[in-house]
Amino acid sequence: GQNIDQPTEMTATEGAIVQINCTYQTSGFNGLFWYQQHAGEAPTFLSYNVLDGLEEKGRFSSFLSRSKGYSYLLLKELQMKDSASYLCAALDSNYQLIWGAGTKLIIKP
Amino acid sequence: DVKVTQSSRYLVKRTGEKVFLECVQDMDHENMFWYRQDPGLGLRLIYFSYDVKMKEKGDIPEGYSVSREKKERFSLILESASTNQTSMYLCASALREAYNEQFFGPGTRLTVL
Repeated sequence: GQNIDQPTEMTATEGAIVQINCTYQTSGFNGLFWYQQHAGEAPTFLSYNVLDGLEEKGRFSSFLSRSKGYSYLLLKELQMKDSASYLCAALDSNYQLIWGAGTKLIIKP
Repeated sequence: DVKVTQSSRYLVKRTGEKVFLECVQDMDHENMFWYRQDPGLGLRLIYFSYDVKMKEKGDIPEGYSVSREKKERFSLILESASTNQTSMYLCASALREAYNEQFFGPGTRLTVL
């Protein structure tokens, strides 16, 4: 079966760095997405990786290892507004998105 | 400013009622999606559409139907609402190629009593 695993909840301190991991098992692979979802709001796109390596966008970076079926989202210089759920989703061989349950990130002052 | 709108933010219906959830996008996107989101579960795809009058079943289509008569509008229909359909419903749209980001509406929290 197809599966996405990510931690249910993480806590970090304002100003620090946090890494949110995601492992995937899909029938074929055509890339991996990260979305951010604040409580009570719609998910918004953060990144898409299809090649191995790290892609940086300001304070957020996303990493992919296709051989390991692994990705992470790295958030630097954490701010209180980064408190949100982070959703990992993999695109399978049929170009269908398989979604993880999301990681709730709690930022403490 | 791109936008996906949904007809209601909150909706309360009774068991057995027919429920219509509407979604409109102003980005001329080909693809539109309906998901439900429940605590502890990932987004689950109910139906999607790649073109006008075209629809495909997602992972959990049972108890739902959809309509796409115009490119910008995608409707989700619960023919006879049941309590297990109480959930957050999210609509999304995207350009045709699957690697494009999806833009989500604000969601409709449906409660079926």
